[in-house]
Amino acid sequence: EAGVAQSPRYKIIEKRQSVAFWCNPISGHATLYWYQQILGQGPKLLIQFQNNGVVDDSQLPKDRFSAERLKGVDSTLKIQPAKLEDSAVYLCASSFRATGELFFGEGSRLTVL
Amino acid sequence: QKEVEQNSGPLSVPEGAIASLNCTYSDRGSQSFFWYRQYSGKSPELIMSIYSNGDKEDGRFTAQLNKASQYVSLLIRDSQPSDSATYLCAVNMPLAGNQFYFGTGTSLTVIP
Repeated sequence: EAGVAQSPRYKIIEKRQSVAFWCNPISGHATLYWYQQILGQGPKLLIQFQNNGVVDDSQLPKDRFSAERLKGVDSTLKIQPAKLEDSAVYLCASSFRATGELFFGEGSRLTVL
Repeated sequence: QKEVEQNSGPLSVPEGAIASLNCTYSDRGSQSFFWYRQYSGKSPELIMSIYSNGDKEDGRFTAQLNKASQYVSLLIRDSQPSDSATYLCAVNMPLAGNQFYFGTGTSLTVIP
């Protein structure tokens, strides 16, 4: 069974530029999460989707971050404009149900200069 | 108070010893508790889940839960160098929309 796919693996941009990350969850997993993990910290939930609806985006900085999950399958997370403090690994995870048993992708490492 | 707290470590144990990792949480209504392992430069992977008070064993791993004390722990018996990683505790938070909050993780090094 294929795991959670993410791309790109690495991205370097300058502040105020934009970037987009893509995630394809495990087939059949209705719940999709985007987490931000800053070096030395635990993952922080940005947004949770159930199928193509948003369950929770309370910690998403909506002035610069946006995310969508069209057709309830793959998802895109966008940052525009990026700030230095956005440098982090962006982890996508999926689960069959919203039970906390998450399967993570390899992550997308963003460096903002 | 942070929602989920862990000692950041680093924790060093000799090979073959028992490693004990601890986690406390703030929401008394929490019902689901998870331990994830994260190797350096990799993404977290689930190793244990526990939902009821007491112990749950899976191979060399034992999760312990005490809801009254709002405390969950992970014991690793016969520690191996391959166990060297950061261990993340995750807890659901009913007071926060039932989202899963992660601790900052405890770094474990098993010395051969």
